[in-house]
Amino acid sequence: AQTVTQSQPEMSVQEAETVTLSCTYDTSESNYYLFWYKQPPSRQMILVIRQEAYKQQNATENRFSVNFQKAAKSFSLKISDSQLGDTAMYFCAFMKPYTGNQFYFGTGTSLTVIP
Amino acid sequence: DAGVTQSPTHLIKTRGQHVTLRCSPISGHKSVSWYQQVLGQGPQFIFQYYEKEERGRGNFPDRFSARQFPNYSSELNVNALLLGDSALYLCASSIDNRDREYEQYFGPGTRLTVT
Repeated sequence: AQTVTQSQPEMSVQEAETVTLSCTYDTSESNYYLFWYKQPPSRQMILVIRQEAYKQQNATENRFSVNFQKAAKSFSLKISDSQLGDTAMYFCAFMKPYTGNQFYFGTGTSLTVIP
Repeated sequence: DAGVTQSPTHLIKTRGQHVTLRCSPISGHKSVSWYQQVLGQGPQFIFQYYEKEERGRGNFPDRFSARQFPNYSSELNVNALLLGDSALYLCASSIDNRDREYEQYFGPGTRLTVT
């Protein structure tokens, strides 16, 4: 079974600063996807960034980037130039290909951006 | 284009009752997945349906059932409600093209409270 662990229940960051959210996972698979999802107070989950395990290059989406360490089974999210709109719950998720889109989520990190 | 829609938004039920939650996927999406998100936790996978057939089931009791209709909308049914079924129920849709199977879009959820 796959497990995803987020060890930081809550974090805060000053506006315009950088923050890193941690995620570790456990799997015996060699091919998989990893994701960070954002869930603002309005509840709708939004994809932030995706990483394919077979790609060595870390994914980047504007102010969001990941540090993917496959051997260590670590997948952290870095948010640069934090904005008030980044305040949300952030979930790390794992998916095995061809398994019916079954995602495994961590317990989430509540991020607050302080003005 | 409309995103994933879910109804109702909120629902209050009594223990022992049953409930039906509804989901309409994004136009063109043939796959629907259901997740349960208990307060303070990450979403837990319940079911995935594709072309009206169940393709994946999480570790949930038989009180939980679902179906998908010819227009790809879906219903989640929960019988004999327990207090522990109180949660946010999320629906997610995807095209289910194997090249893009990881593109899963979430609805706003239905907040179920069991008293």
